[in-house]
Amino acid sequence: EDKVVQSPLSLVVHEGDTVTLNCSYEVTNFRSLLWYKQEKKAPTFLFMLTSSGIEKKSGRLSSILDKKELFSILNITATQTGDSAVYLCAVEKYNYGQNFVFGPGTRLSVLP
Amino acid sequence: NAGVTQTPKFQVLKTGQSMTLQCAQDMNHEYMSWYRQDPGMGLRLIHYSVGAGITDQGEVPNGYNVSRSTTEDFPLRLLSAAPSQTSVYFCASSSTQASGTQYFGPGTRLLVL
Repeated sequence: EDKVVQSPLSLVVHEGDTVTLNCSYEVTNFRSLLWYKQEKKAPTFLFMLTSSGIEKKSGRLSSILDKKELFSILNITATQTGDSAVYLCAVEKYNYGQNFVFGPGTRLSVLP
Repeated sequence: NAGVTQTPKFQVLKTGQSMTLQCAQDMNHEYMSWYRQDPGMGLRLIHYSVGAGITDQGEVPNGYNVSRSTTEDFPLRLLSAAPSQTSVYFCASSSTQASGTQYFGPGTRLLVL
């Protein structure tokens, strides 16, 4: 059975801290791994990772994929209160059918 | 492009009532799906479709029906609402031809009393 696991499930930090969010997966027919940020409404896309070892970066956020060990990390440096959100990890499959498997999310709270 | 649209934004139902949540996309995406999201949980797949006329069950299909008569529309029907169906519902679409993200609608918050 396909599975995406995220840790920690919840995290509280102070502004300026650096955080690392983890995502591990056991999925057949892997195509890509996706990170989303969800505030009050729909998830918004952050990164798509398809190759191992290549870091994707956007401002203070970065992410990397390890396809051998089947995990990805999302780093946020110099956190701000606006980074408070649920961060979702999802795996896209090559599959005629259920294409996306989501993890439970990590709830990040950044205190001033 | 409007992207993925959902209506209504919020709905209150009584137990036993039926209703349809609407979802439409204008990106000509083949793949569309419905998720529900409950507090403390990720997105759970209810039903999905890989193209017009083709639908299948996801992880939590009981109590819901779908149809896909056109590429653009993918309505979700609640046959007889139950309090356990109180949730936030997201519709999403993606292209099956190229690796990429799912595009999410704004969500429908449903309360069943």
